[in-house]
Amino acid sequence: AQSVTQLGSHVSVSEGALVLLRCNYSSSVPPYLFWYVQYPNQGLQLLLKYTTGATLVKGINGFEAEFKKSETSFHLTKPSAHMSDAAEYFCAVIFSGGSYIPTFGRGTSLIVHP
Amino acid sequence: KAGVTQTPRYLIKTRGQQVTLSCSPISGHRSVSWYQQTPGQGLQFLFEYFSETQRNKGNFPGRFSGRQFSNSRSEMNVSTLELGDSALYLCASSLAQAGMNTEAFFGQGTRLTVV
Repeated sequence: AQSVTQLGSHVSVSEGALVLLRCNYSSSVPPYLFWYVQYPNQGLQLLLKYTTGATLVKGINGFEAEFKKSETSFHLTKPSAHMSDAAEYFCAVIFSGGSYIPTFGRGTSLIVHP
Repeated sequence: KAGVTQTPRYLIKTRGQQVTLSCSPISGHRSVSWYQQTPGQGLQFLFEYFSETQRNKGNFPGRFSGRQFSNSRSEMNVSTLELGDSALYLCASSLAQAGMNTEAFFGQGTRLTVV
């Protein structure tokens, strides 16, 4: 079955440190990939997406993600964490050949320490 | 441009009751999807409506239903509420029916608590 795995339900970093949130998917066909952020008591906001073309995708708030087909991964990074980055992050995948409804990972809570 | 509006934001219901949640999509968007978000299960897809027709359905019991009106506004209904239905219900709207490159815009959600 096609699935999306986010390693680590919680990631803790210090302010100014590198942020790395991991996302892997199971599919032999390159899918479309998304990262969403959810702040407390809010809906999901799109950070960035990969459809085709350049595998390094830049998003809002200084985040970027790289699609690596050989590793079936789409990890999210940010060079320097800010306190305002503390939130829940979701990786979502639209698998080709299906219903085109995105499958979401379980989410990773990013904690930023001062 | 107004975003996706969900009402009410918070709701407390008793087991056995029914509830109706409302979602107004972004103006011009014709697709509305509903998700259930819980700490244990994450985001689970409920259903998608496009042009007043249900196009896709997730793996939820028949107690969960929905509909879409001609103005693209959507409602979802849960009958015979159970404690396990307590969740954040998110609505997402898109310009077009779900596709490979369809971007979804989410509302703030309705927090349903069943007691």
